[in-house]
Amino acid sequence: EVQLLESGGGLVQPGESLRLSCAASGFIFGNHAVHWVRQTPGQGLEWVSGISGSGRNTFSADFVKGRFTTSRDTSKNIFYLHMSSLRVEDTAIYFCAKMRGLVINDPFDVWGQGTLVIVS
Amino acid sequence: DIQVTQYPSTLSGYVGDRVTMSCRASESISRMLAWYQQKPGKAPKLLIYEASKLEDGVPSRFSGSGSGTEFTLTISSLQPDDFATYHCQDYGSYSRKFGQGTRVEIK
Repeated sequence: EVQLLESGGGLVQPGESLRLSCAASGFIFGNHAVHWVRQTPGQGLEWVSGISGSGRNTFSADFVKGRFTTSRDTSKNIFYLHMSSLRVEDTAIYFCAKMRGLVINDPFDVWGQGTLVIVS
Repeated sequence: DIQVTQYPSTLSGYVGDRVTMSCRASESISRMLAWYQQKPGKAPKLLIYEASKLEDGVPSRFSGSGSGTEFTLTISSLQPDDFATYHCQDYGSYSRKFGQGTRVEIK
């Protein structure tokens, strides 16, 4: 069974940094991109960042470029979202999500349960 | 940057009703649109991709249509388990924009 499990959320102050983890299992690491999507309380979903199946390419939304980066540790099957210079408006539930197929643009077919980040 | 707009924001229906919700892209995205269902406190679940293809395990009462800029999600006979929020997503563009969601409520 394909599973994603996030951790690392918490309460931080503006300007601080935080690293979220996404432990992955049940699929071939190098075949699928994994992305991060956030959801503000009561609001919609917003794509944040992602890393390709090969790990050679990373992608980030304009509003987090220069502040957030995505990486992975293939030896541990873990993906990371490194967040720095956090702002109050970054407060959200952060989900990691696996891309359905092998191409660069595909929907997300498996999601983690989410981890809450509060910047206050 | 392509914008994605969902409407209506809320939809009410009885069990057994046929309901339809819509998603509009600000420019053509071909058929690279997905629909997700999300229940409170849970992660989104993929229902439909490529505008009309049903994800494995999703009941056939769900169907999607459209291409270009206008898309619809239809539930042919609303079931108690279907009361949730539905999100569309343009996954063909770099920004992978989601719509704001349509909440389906019990009438």
